[in-house]
Amino acid sequence: KQEVTQIPAALSVPEGENLVLNCSFTDSAIYNLQWFRQDPGKGLTSLLLIQSSQREQTSGRLNASLDKSSGRSTLYIAASQPGDSATYLCAVRRTNAGKSTFGDGTTLTVKP
Amino acid sequence: EAQVTQNPRYLITVTGKKLTVTCSQNMNHEYMSWYRQDPGLGLRQIYYSMNVEVTDKGDVPEGYKVSRKEKRNFPLILESPSPNQTSLYFCASSYRADPFTNEKLLFGSGTQLSVL
Repeated sequence: KQEVTQIPAALSVPEGENLVLNCSFTDSAIYNLQWFRQDPGKGLTSLLLIQSSQREQTSGRLNASLDKSSGRSTLYIAASQPGDSATYLCAVRRTNAGKSTFGDGTTLTVKP
Repeated sequence: EAQVTQNPRYLITVTGKKLTVTCSQNMNHEYMSWYRQDPGLGLRQIYYSMNVEVTDKGDVPEGYKVSRKEKRNFPLILESPSPNQTSLYFCASSYRADPFTNEKLLFGSGTQLSVL
């Protein structure tokens, strides 16, 4: 059974810092990995999707990497801003593409 | 605008009273899925559908039913709700995933259900 772990559970940084969020998964047989952002009481907003054949994806200040063999993905946020404060979740789409498993998320607070 | 629409946004009901949470998408997506989100347990998949008339269980299907009679709609049915089904529910959709597509999973705004 696929298990997805995100460390740390919470992170607080001062504005302007670069930071890395981690996501690890136990079964490397995946179709893709997707990073989401969730604001309190809101739905999930897709940030980046990495196909199993890809190594990284970039969007603005965000860069996500994938190392399937080691079962790890990282989300790099450059020059963090208070507006980046949210919970970040990673989700693994399993090989049959139907099932997906989410991590518990990392709650990020960026202090002005 | 591409969107996944869930209704209602909030729902309070009593034990045993059948309810349906609706989910609709306007992107002609093949794939649709339901999740519940609980503190300390994260997001867990309830049911998913790969296409019309094709549904399958996720990790926590007990106590739920779904149907996929048409491509755009994927309702979640609780025949006899119980308090342990109090949760925040999300519907999501995407084009059918395979190793060569890059279609993201898109989520609705959520339905907060309380079963008393």
